[in-house]
Amino acid sequence: DAGVIQSPRHEVTEMGQEVTLRCKPISGHDYLFWYRQTMMRGLELLIYFNNNVPIDDSGMPEDRFSAKMPNASFSTLKIQPSEPRDSAVYFCASSLSLLGASGGYTFGSGTRLTVV
Amino acid sequence: GQNIDQPTEMTATEGAIVQINCTYQTSGFNGLFWYQQHAGEAPTFLSYNVLDGLEEKGRFSSFLSRSKGYSYLLLKELQMKDSASYLCAVMDSNYQLIWGAGTKLIIKP
Repeated sequence: DAGVIQSPRHEVTEMGQEVTLRCKPISGHDYLFWYRQTMMRGLELLIYFNNNVPIDDSGMPEDRFSAKMPNASFSTLKIQPSEPRDSAVYFCASSLSLLGASGGYTFGSGTRLTVV
Repeated sequence: GQNIDQPTEMTATEGAIVQINCTYQTSGFNGLFWYQQHAGEAPTFLSYNVLDGLEEKGRFSSFLSRSKGYSYLLLKELQMKDSASYLCAVMDSNYQLIWGAGTKLIIKP
């Protein structure tokens, strides 16, 4: 398996612009997670899906952030409008189960977002 | 509140042994995870402990004491490629994964 695939790897955008991050989970994984990582706050869970349905979006910072999972093989995280404080590395991860006991969560390579 | 504590940074010598500690206070417990994250890369799963005791996996071992809210990751025969951040994470009673800030391990020749 190719693992969790994220695109783009790097994104530089101007404040106020819309940003869309993409993720393809591992086939057969029922859970998909969006995380954000910064030096100050570490890894933060933004939202997770189970069988394409959003289960917990309490970590989404504000209404500027939205996430969708239209099918089992694709998810997007959108920021509109973007702000400099959104600059971070955004990871997508997938897992067979919420517990992830057998092998943890598999993370994608991440998208490094810089908002100027 | 929920809290995970681990040292910010540790230094060790190639070929030696290092122990990275993690203490936690969470609402319930459904297991403790260790992940490795090289600079600029994604976290990768190392180990999972849900029962007390030591789990060994090659050069890496992970220990858990639930009564003490304590775990450690033991790395033996250190190699330069082990230079990375090591993240401790606990799954609470709501199956939320609570992450520590990570320990940056520096290996010197």
